Amino acid sequence: KAGVTQTPRYLIKTRGQQVTLSCSPISGHRSVSWYQQTPGQGLQFLFEYFSETQRNKGNFPGRFSGRQFSNSRSEMNVSTLELGDSALYLCASSFGGVGTDTQYFGPGTRLTVL
Amino acid sequence: GQQLNQSPQSMFIQEGEDVSMNCTSSSIFNTWLWYKQDPGEGPVLLIALYKAGELTSNGRLTAQFGITRKDSFLNISASIPSDVGIYFCAGYNNAGNMLTFGGGTRLMVKP
Repeated sequence: KAGVTQTPRYLIKTRGQQVTLSCSPISGHRSVSWYQQTPGQGLQFLFEYFSETQRNKGNFPGRFSGRQFSNSRSEMNVSTLELGDSALYLCASSFGGVGTDTQYFGPGTRLTVL
Repeated sequence: GQQLNQSPQSMFIQEGEDVSMNCTSSSIFNTWLWYKQDPGEGPVLLIALYKAGELTSNGRLTAQFGITRKDSFLNISASIPSDVGIYFCAGYNNAGNMLTFGGGTRLMVKP
């Protein structure tokens, strides 16, 4: 069974731009969660999508948004990029979702904002 | 920010030594998970714990869910060079609506 895949793996943007990251979950998994990982703040939960609906949300500004498609693939969008948005963005998938099921992580997208 | 305190932050040990790391929380967690992250990769699940007092092994790894439900530890026996990486504890609290991570323990093994 293929694991969680994320594209692109690396991305360089400049301040003020927007970016879209993509995540394909493990086949059969209905939940996709997104996390931001930085040296200073560690791993922080952004949001979870389950069956195309946002189910849980962390403490991030509205510039961070996402969506999930009917095939469970998910995209995350960050608008008006700031230098502090430079991070490794990880997505994780599970069958039952956050709080009910083990989450499996993808390799991440390394975003650098200049 | 993080709600799980993980220690130590880093360890530099000799190959063959045993390793112990732990995670504590000020609030109760219902599930404890231990992940390992290699450079440039996402975290990989090592052990999942679902019940207070539970002791679970995965090869040379052993983890326990503390009786108070506010702590967990991970032991690695007879370390080898490929154990190098960052180990994270993570957990679901009573609300169970987000996975909270500890700050990580960076393990370095000298051959």
